[in-house]
Amino acid sequence: QSALTQPPSASGSPGQSVTIPCTGTSGDVGAYDYVSWYQQHPDKAPKVIIYEVNKRPSGVPDRFSGSKSGNTASLTVSGLQAEDEADYYCSSYAGHENFVVFGGGTKLTVL
Amino acid sequence: QVQLQESGSRLVKPPQTLSLTCGVSGGSISSGSYSWSWIRQPPGRGLEWIGYIQQSGTTNYNPSLKSRVTISLDRFKNQFSLKVTSATAADTAVYFCGRGATFIDKWGQGTPVTVSS
Repeated sequence: QSALTQPPSASGSPGQSVTIPCTGTSGDVGAYDYVSWYQQHPDKAPKVIIYEVNKRPSGVPDRFSGSKSGNTASLTVSGLQAEDEADYYCSSYAGHENFVVFGGGTKLTVL
Repeated sequence: QVQLQESGSRLVKPPQTLSLTCGVSGGSISSGSYSWSWIRQPPGRGLEWIGYIQQSGTTNYNPSLKSRVTISLDRFKNQFSLKVTSATAADTAVYFCGRGATFIDKWGQGTPVTVSS
């Protein structure tokens, strides 16, 4: 069982928006602004698309955005495109003892 | 452009030690204030953070693996390494090395490791 909770699947049609939640606790997501999101295509390494809750690395489209409220972080993908179909993982700093925890992943399907 | 590449034994017999190395090219492992991490992904499952090492040599490990894991840094060879002792089938996974700690901005391509007799 993963430390952070994500829905196993999400879907949307091209052009639509979809939001993926990531629920943690007051000891990880709720305590630190160190939430990251990764996109992973089949048989590929993950790629960071959001870090520190809502920052986008250079080269990541602004269709990807992150936010946080309480113990839940969210990734929103706007203007869905076929290439957005992938697995998405959230992660959070969880304090010095546990350090980094991941969510179980959400498979995003573009219908 | 910094690139990372994992290497090491792809088949490990239990309860031997799983050993992997991550070579860093296109930049020095000692530049900046980056930490260097290991993450794994069991077949068909999600990501699991293993641990990281700072420039100072300070390490931090996943509490569930802490008693079996060692991460070390070799500045001369521009690489860092992972050892997991007393390997079992549960350690079968794709192992990724990465740059960073609170988030990983550069990833290796990953190397599959099978633990089986």
